[in-house]
Formats: sequence, C-alpha cells, structure tokens
Amino acid sequence: AQSVTQLDSQVPVFEEAPVELRCNYSSSVSVYLFWYVQYPNQGLQLLLKYLSGSTLVESINGFEAEFNKSQTSFHLRKPSVHISDTAEYFCAVSDEETSYDKVIFGPGTSLSVIP
Amino acid sequence: DVKVTQSSRYLVKRTGEKVFLECVQDMDHENMFWYRQDPGLGLRLIYFSYDVKMKEKGDIPEGYSVSREKKERFSLILESASTNQTSMYLCASSFPSGVATDTQYFGPGTRLTVL
Repeated sequence: AQSVTQLDSQVPVFEEAPVELRCNYSSSVSVYLFWYVQYPNQGLQLLLKYLSGSTLVESINGFEAEFNKSQTSFHLRKPSVHISDTAEYFCAVSDEETSYDKVIFGPGTSLSVIP
Repeated sequence: DVKVTQSSRYLVKRTGEKVFLECVQDMDHENMFWYRQDPGLGLRLIYFSYDVKMKEKGDIPEGYSVSREKKERFSLILESASTNQTSMYLCASSFPSGVATDTQYFGPGTRLTVL
C-alpha cells in the first residue's frame, strides 16, 4: 500500500537561505508524485508534479524536486526562499494499483521564512 | 480557471446533528474527493467518486456518507456529528488519470466545529 513520509513537521529558515523539504514514499509499482502548497487561510494548490520523463521537475516560482526511484524520495528544494514562501507543503503519491486516481498525502511540512 | 466551491467556510454544529457539506466544481471533472485535514496528520481521504452515483471508501469512511447525484456536485454527510469529527474538510476534483494533468483542484475548505 502507498504511504508518504515527511520527516520534518516544521522547518524554519532565514530569508534568502536555501531549503530542502524531505519526502519519502512507499510503493512497489510505478508512481506519480506531487508537491502541493497551502498558503495561510487558503486551499491547497499544486506546486509541481512528476509523472514521467525527466526526474527533475520545476515550478514557476523557483522550487524544484527530483524523483529518486532507488531511494523512493521526492525532495523539494529552493536555492533562496522568500517571505512569501511561508506555507504548509504536502508531498503526495498515486500509483498504478489505483489507476493513479487515488492520491495519498503526507502529513505536511510547515515552512516558516524568517526575515 | 477551475473553480471548486464549498458551501460554508465555517460551521458550528451540536453533537448528534446531521450535517451536510456541499462541494461544487465547474470543470466537468469525473473525479471528486472529500478529505479531512488535521494537524500532524495531513490530508486523509474519506470518500471519493469517479462518476455520478459511484463512490468508493477512502481511508477513514466511518461516520460519514456521500452523495453524488450530479456530476458537478459531491456532498459529504455526517449522519450524527460527534466531537471527534471537528476538523477542516477539503473537497477536490480532477479528471481521470491519463486524461489530462492528473492534478487535483481543491476548494477553500470548511472548518467544522462540533460542540
């Protein structure tokens, strides 16, 4: 069965510093991987996703994530964070066992950017 | 833009009441989902529907039921609300996997408090 682990529940980081939010998943079959972001008092929205092809995927606001099949990881990185990046970040996975329609979310990582 | 709306942002109910949470999407999506979001637990799937009148249990269906009479509307029903159902409820919709972008689109959420 699928599961998603986000080891860090809270990550404080200074503005303009780099950040990595870790995500590991468990699935024995082909997967789709997602990062969703939830800004304060808003709903979730897709940040980036891996479906196939290049293992490095990027978002329009400077985040990137790399699919590592051998380590079953999909860590999210940004080289320089802004105050506006303060949000809750959720890693998620779907796989071919459920025809990719059912998505399992991790517990979330709260990123706090300190001025 | 895809729009997913939920009937209430905040709701306060008493123990034992029957509660209806409504969700409407305007993108002709086949798939619709209900999650609850709790601190430290992330999003947990309650029910999902892949077509009108079709539904499948998620990971935590106990105490809940759903209704999908029209493609655009997916209702979550708490037959007899209890205090442990106090939570944030999120609705989402998507196309079936492989049809489009596999992205789930979320509503703003309903924060339900059961007293």
